[in-house]
Amino acid sequence: KAGVTQTPRYLIKTRGQQVTLSCSPISGHRSVSWYQQTPGQGLQFLFEYFSETQRNKGNFPGRFSGRQFSNSRSEMNVSTLELGDSALYLCASSLTNHNSPLHFGNGTRLTVT
Amino acid sequence: SQQGEEDPQALSIQEGENATMNCSYKTSINNLQWYRQNSGRGLVHLILIRSNEREKHSGRLRVTLDTSKKSSSLLITASRAADTASYFCAYSGSARQLTFGSGTQLTVLP
Repeated sequence: KAGVTQTPRYLIKTRGQQVTLSCSPISGHRSVSWYQQTPGQGLQFLFEYFSETQRNKGNFPGRFSGRQFSNSRSEMNVSTLELGDSALYLCASSLTNHNSPLHFGNGTRLTVT
Repeated sequence: SQQGEEDPQALSIQEGENATMNCSYKTSINNLQWYRQNSGRGLVHLILIRSNEREKHSGRLRVTLDTSKKSSSLLITASRAADTASYFCAYSGSARQLTFGSGTQLTVLP
């Protein structure tokens, strides 16, 4: 089985711009979660989608949004980028939910200048 | 912060030695998982232990869970240079999300 695929691998954006990140889960996995990883805050949960519905959301401002398509592929969007949004954004898929092992992609490294 | 705490933050050992990492958490949990992350890459799932289990083994990995102390430990036996990575505990509970610890950076010297 192919693993979780995230695109693009690297992104450089300017403050105020918006960005869309993409994630293709493992075939058959219906749950997709997104995490932000920074040296200061560690791994922070953004949101989880299951069957196109947002099932859970972390403590991030409304500038962070996501969606899931009928084929389970997911996108996350960050609007009005701030310097502090620079991070590694990780997507993970699982068969059911947070009680199952998560399978992570290699992430998108976002740099905001 | 709701994050779990891990100690030590960094650990450096010689190849062949054992490495022990500890994780503490604050809430009741359904299960606790351990993940490994090589620099700049995604996390890889290592092992999952349920709240009603006390110990679990997988190859050179041994995980213990003490729910009364809200703590877990990961032991890697006979470590190899390829084990060099960051190790994270993660737990799920009533928050219906996986909460990650702060991580331990393990360096295994050849």
